[in-house]
Amino acid sequence: GAGVSQTPSNKVTEKGKYVELRCDPISGHTALYWYRQSLGQGPEFLIYFQGTGAADDSGLPNDRFFAVRPEGSVSTLKIQRTERGDSAVYLCASSSRGDTEAFFGQGTRLTVV
Amino acid sequence: QKEVEQDPGPLSVPEGAIVSLNCTYSNSAFQYFMWYRQYSRKGPELLMYTYSSGNKEDGRFTAQVDKSSKYISLFIRDSQPSDSATYLCAMRGTSYDKVIFGPGTSLSVIP
Repeated sequence: GAGVSQTPSNKVTEKGKYVELRCDPISGHTALYWYRQSLGQGPEFLIYFQGTGAADDSGLPNDRFFAVRPEGSVSTLKIQRTERGDSAVYLCASSSRGDTEAFFGQGTRLTVV
Repeated sequence: QKEVEQDPGPLSVPEGAIVSLNCTYSNSAFQYFMWYRQYSRKGPELLMYTYSSGNKEDGRFTAQVDKSSKYISLFIRDSQPSDSATYLCAMRGTSYDKVIFGPGTSLSVIP
């Protein structure tokens, strides 16, 4: 597709369960970002990949959160032992190397019950 | 103090009005400045980006950056009901840095 694709669009999980959120960036984009957005707030940075490596993971809130991008394209955000406070929209964005424009996907709405 | 501050609104204007949206920031290392529009239940959509200080115009939208005051603005001329959305300012230090967002301003344009 032409844009950033995120799956699933909605995810409801029970407290304590493990979840994976997937991001397919725009083809050829080497930079990939994960953000988390709570209601009424701006997106909050989680992690940034340049190629396969995490260039900046300073936004990950704790060790329950982990993200991978093994082949430099698709990325998966993994959350262990989910808590109700993890409920938010998780946004993925990608940009081409050296380009400042980041294009966002529609997000995955995670609800922990 | 948060790195990027923005009046959350809500801001309500009549159709055809000129809208002014603003952000202030504290980190003098920021060099790239962006405005995103976000409709309800959608991802942010890039509207404008500028590098360093100055103005940039694109149709009804004008972005201004004043680095000396650490202040950026987005002006919308001839506002339309379809402009009703949340507007997020965003910025970064270099083209390889993370993007930091403001909390967003909710705008309603009333027909």
